[in-house]
Amino acid sequence: QVHLVQSGGEVKKPGASVKVSCKASGYTFTNYGVNWVRQAPGQGLEWMGWISAYNGNTKYAQRLQGRVTMTTDTSTSTAYMELRSLRSDDTAVYYCTRGGLGTVTHSDYWGLGTLVTVSS
Amino acid sequence: EIVLTQSPGTLSLSPGERATLSCRASQSVSSNFLAWYQQKPGQAPRLLIYGASNRATGIPDRFSGSGSATDFTLTISRLEPEDFVVYYCQQYGSSPLTFGGGTKVEIK
Repeated sequence: QVHLVQSGGEVKKPGASVKVSCKASGYTFTNYGVNWVRQAPGQGLEWMGWISAYNGNTKYAQRLQGRVTMTTDTSTSTAYMELRSLRSDDTAVYYCTRGGLGTVTHSDYWGLGTLVTVSS
Repeated sequence: EIVLTQSPGTLSLSPGERATLSCRASQSVSSNFLAWYQQKPGQAPRLLIYGASNRATGIPDRFSGSGSATDFTLTISRLEPEDFVVYYCQQYGSSPLTFGGGTKVEIK
């Protein structure tokens, strides 16, 4: 079955960077894409962006453009999301999800989430 | 950006009753690319419905989705105790993908 195993929680200071990993198993990694979604404490869901695991094409939410980079390592079936210049309002649970191959689509499988806390 | 408005914010019902959740889009959702997710406390969301009306793998048939263009509905035909949680709609017809603010279904 499909599993997305995410890296552990992080505590960062404002201005720092964080890189979250997501190791996929149970399916052919390069046949799908990866969406990243975050959820601030007690809040709703926010789509951050998508990467194709086939060719590395990306699409980012405009409000994060310039601060976020999504990459994949097909040799280990792992996706990464790096967020830079962290602010307190970046405190959230970050989810990786399985998405579409050639275009952005819905998320049919989700990781358990990685809590990133930004605090001085 | 397409704004999705979910109503009501909270729905108070009893087990066995029918739940009707609404998701309205600020503009037409391309190809009815609308999904519904269920989120239990402390857990990741789970896909229920995609393409407005297609049940995801393993989802009980008491969950159904309908609608088109700007108006979409998630119906739970008979509420089970585990259904009293939060539901989100999402459009993926155009970028950026957007989510509604959620509807909490609570026990009356």
